[in-house]
Amino acid sequence: NAGVTQTPKFQVLKTGQSMTLQCAQDMNHEYMSWYRQDPGMGLRLIHYSVGAGITDQGEVPNGYNVSRSTTEDFPLRLLSAAPSQTSVYFCASSQHSRGNNSPLHFGNGTRLTVT
Amino acid sequence: TQLLEQSPQFLSIQEGENLTVYCNSSSVFSSLQWYRQEPGEGPVLLVTVVTGGEVKKLKRLTFQFGDARKDSSLHITAAQPGDTGLYLCAGDGAGNMLTFGGGTRLMVKP
Repeated sequence: NAGVTQTPKFQVLKTGQSMTLQCAQDMNHEYMSWYRQDPGMGLRLIHYSVGAGITDQGEVPNGYNVSRSTTEDFPLRLLSAAPSQTSVYFCASSQHSRGNNSPLHFGNGTRLTVT
Repeated sequence: TQLLEQSPQFLSIQEGENLTVYCNSSSVFSSLQWYRQEPGEGPVLLVTVVTGGEVKKLKRLTFQFGDARKDSSLHITAAQPGDTGLYLCAGDGAGNMLTFGGGTRLMVKP
């Protein structure tokens, strides 16, 4: 079972460059989300989606865009990378939206460095 | 924004010792989840607690949800080196957002 697959695993960008972090899940999950993890700050929610065609902002959405054209894919786009976006990014999915207490299934993360 | 505070941030103990990790908030959560994360990997769910006062056990790990559903604790009995990792609590509150605490990094020395 592949679960949640994130690519790439590592990426180095220069300030001002743009890129897309890919996330795919093969569990037919309704809910997908992107978090960033910084030392001592746990995981902070960037954007989430409760189904294809529906996206919404989390706690720290500035500088990031998302789309959900299919149930399986939820890419995260950095429009113009900044050093403050250096972080480890995790994609996570759950079978149902949050009101159902569904567990989140995480990918293995993308480590991004912006110089 | 609903905040979850975890304490302690770091814990280094000897094999066989007991420990408790706390997760506190001023907000009420409909449920609270505990995850464990190892280096280079994403967090993995340990348990979900839903009812105020609920206690769940997973081998040597005991999880408790506060009566008011604002706090939770994780107690590990006779810790082993395999328990080493980052422990994260996460609360389901308003909207479709799962809010995470800052994490407790546990190291168990043999």
